[in-house]
Amino acid sequence: NAGVTQTPKFRILKIGQSMTLQCAQDMNHNYMYWYRQDPGMGLKLIYYSVGAGITDKGEVPNGYNVSRSTTEDFPLRLELAAPSQTSVYFCASSLTLYNSPLHFGNGTRLTVT
Amino acid sequence: DAKTTQPNSMESNEEEPVHLPCNHSTISGTDYIHWYRQLPSQGPEYVIHGLTSNVNNRMASLAIAEDRKSSTLILHRATLRDAAVYYCILRDWEYSGGGADGLTFGKGTHLIIQP
Repeated sequence: NAGVTQTPKFRILKIGQSMTLQCAQDMNHNYMYWYRQDPGMGLKLIYYSVGAGITDKGEVPNGYNVSRSTTEDFPLRLELAAPSQTSVYFCASSLTLYNSPLHFGNGTRLTVT
Repeated sequence: DAKTTQPNSMESNEEEPVHLPCNHSTISGTDYIHWYRQLPSQGPEYVIHGLTSNVNNRMASLAIAEDRKSSTLILHRATLRDAAVYYCILRDWEYSGGGADGLTFGKGTHLIIQP
């Protein structure tokens, strides 16, 4: 049972480069989320999705884009990477909004230099 | 603004019970109280959640105050593997044109277990 799978695990980008962080879940969850975690801090919500074709901004969406063409996949796009985007990125999914656990991936550690 | 308040860190001894507090004085009637923990270099892991009544599972117990303004995560017999950052969050959805206020994690409580 794979759960939530994130790729890549690590990535180093130069300033101004772009990349896509991949997230896939095999639990048929409608709700998916992208978080970032800076060193010593909690998790901040970047974007979320309530189903295929529906996405919305979280607390810190600037510099990122998302799409949700299928229930399984929720990629996060970084355009024009900046050092401030150096962070660990976590993808999560859940069956419902209120009354079910969030299932997290193992994260992507991104460094922008 | 953070919806929950937790101590920055707590220390306990191995094989003793641990009580991790969380204050959520502005909780609404439809907020579920969730607890997660994060081991070093891993994603957060679900521990337990509840609405009004106390809850038990194989990992922990959740004690919710009668007025729901606070809750306590109870680890009945801590082991070294329980050393982690523990997050208390309120799962609430305020869909008013964007933003998901109830889905942000604070800094949590860093639990240290002494052998």
